Amino acid sequence: AQRVTQPEKLLSVFKGAPVELKCNYSYSGSPELFWYVQYSRQRLQLLLRHISRESIKGFTADLNKGETSFHLKKPFAQEEDSAMYYCALSLVSKGAQKLVFGQGTRLTINP
Amino acid sequence: DSGVTQTPKHLITATGQRVTLRCSPRSGDLSVYWYQQSLDQGLQFLIQYYNGEERAKGNILERFSAQQFPDLHSELNLSSLELGDSALYFCASSVGPTNTGELFFGEGSRLTVL
Repeated sequence: AQRVTQPEKLLSVFKGAPVELKCNYSYSGSPELFWYVQYSRQRLQLLLRHISRESIKGFTADLNKGETSFHLKKPFAQEEDSAMYYCALSLVSKGAQKLVFGQGTRLTINP
Repeated sequence: DSGVTQTPKHLITATGQRVTLRCSPRSGDLSVYWYQQSLDQGLQFLIQYYNGEERAKGNILERFSAQQFPDLHSELNLSSLELGDSALYFCASSVGPTNTGELFFGEGSRLTVL
């Protein structure tokens, strides 16, 4: 079955330290993966997608098909990065789309 | 605000009752998705509509139903409510039916069943 696993419910790091939020997926096809973020009192929103290979707010994520992972990384954490982060896998079939989300990781950046 | 709007924001009801949650998609978006977020679980996909037609179904209970109207707003109906139905229900929208993963989310409707 298609599944997204985020092993850490909570992650706390100090400002300026590197951050890595882990995401592993289970999918037999070619995956399309995303990171969504929800800041305090804001809506869930797309942060980045693997096909774009972009860096958003200093975050990057590399798809590793061998390890079935899509970890989110940032070299130097900032306080405004504190938020809930969700990894998601897009399943497209017969003209429909399902986004399967992981359980989420709450990231706290300590000053 | 031309984003996704959901009403009501909060709803408290009793077991056995029926409620309707409403969602208006972003202007121009034809696809609507419903997700349930319970305390112990992440976002669980319930159902997708595109231009009034059901396109995908997730783990939606038989007690739950949804529809998308000609003006593209959608309603999620939850009946014979149980304590375990207490959750945050999110609506999201996208332009097309398979929109490369970018969904635009509403603020959610928090349902409490007592």
